[in-house]
Amino acid sequence: SQTIHQWPATLVQPVGSPLSLECTVEGTSNPNLYWYRQAAGRGLQLLFYSVGIGQISSEVPQNLSASRPQDRQFILSSKKLLLSDSGFYLCAWDRVNWYEQYFGPGTRLTVT
Amino acid sequence: EDQVTQSPEALRLQEGESSSLNCSYTVSGLRGLFWYRQDPGKGPEFLFTLYSAGEEKEKERLKATLTKKESFLHITAPKPEDSATYLCAVQPFKAAGNKLTFGGGTRVLVKP
Repeated sequence: SQTIHQWPATLVQPVGSPLSLECTVEGTSNPNLYWYRQAAGRGLQLLFYSVGIGQISSEVPQNLSASRPQDRQFILSSKKLLLSDSGFYLCAWDRVNWYEQYFGPGTRLTVT
Repeated sequence: EDQVTQSPEALRLQEGESSSLNCSYTVSGLRGLFWYRQDPGKGPEFLFTLYSAGEEKEKERLKATLTKKESFLHITAPKPEDSATYLCAVQPFKAAGNKLTFGGGTRVLVKP
C-alpha cells in the first residue's frame, strides 16, 4: 500500500528565515506530486505540482519554490519567510491516469 | 476559470438529524468531482469521486450525488464522529497534472 510522509509536523520560524519542508511517498513510482497551502478555516490553494523529476509547475507567484530531486520526494523551500507564509502545508500525490489525490498529514508553519 | 462554492460554511446538527451539504461548481468540462473529509489538524481524507451527472456513491452514513451544476453530500442519521470539515473539489478534462480546484469547505458539528 502507498503512504505519504511529511516533516516536520510543526514549525515555528522567524520572519526572514529560510524554510525547507519535505514530502516523500512510498509504495508507488512516478507519482504526480502537489503542494497545497490551507489558511485557517479556508479551502486548499494549490502552490506547485510536479509530473516528474525536475519538472515543477508554479500556480501562485510568491516567495516559495519547490523541487523534486528524486521520483518520490518533493521539497518546498523559501529563502526568506514572510508573515503571510504562515499556514497548513499539505503534500498530495496521485497517478497519471488515476485522478484521486491522497494527502499527507500536513505541516503547520507559524512565522513570527 | 474553474470555481467551487460550498454551502453552508458551517452546520450544527443533533445526532440523528439528517442534512445535506451543497457544492456548486463552474468548470469547462468536468472530468471528476471529489469529496474529502478533513479532521482538525490533519490532511484531507478521500471519500468519493463522481464522474457524470446522475451518479451516486455511498459510504456508511454518507451519500454523494452529482448534477451538471452541483453536488450534494447527504449525511443520514449522523453521529458525533461525523463531525469534520467536508471539502469538495473539481478537476476539468483540461487539467494539467490532474490539478484540483477546492471549495472553502463545510464545517459539520454533530452534537450527541
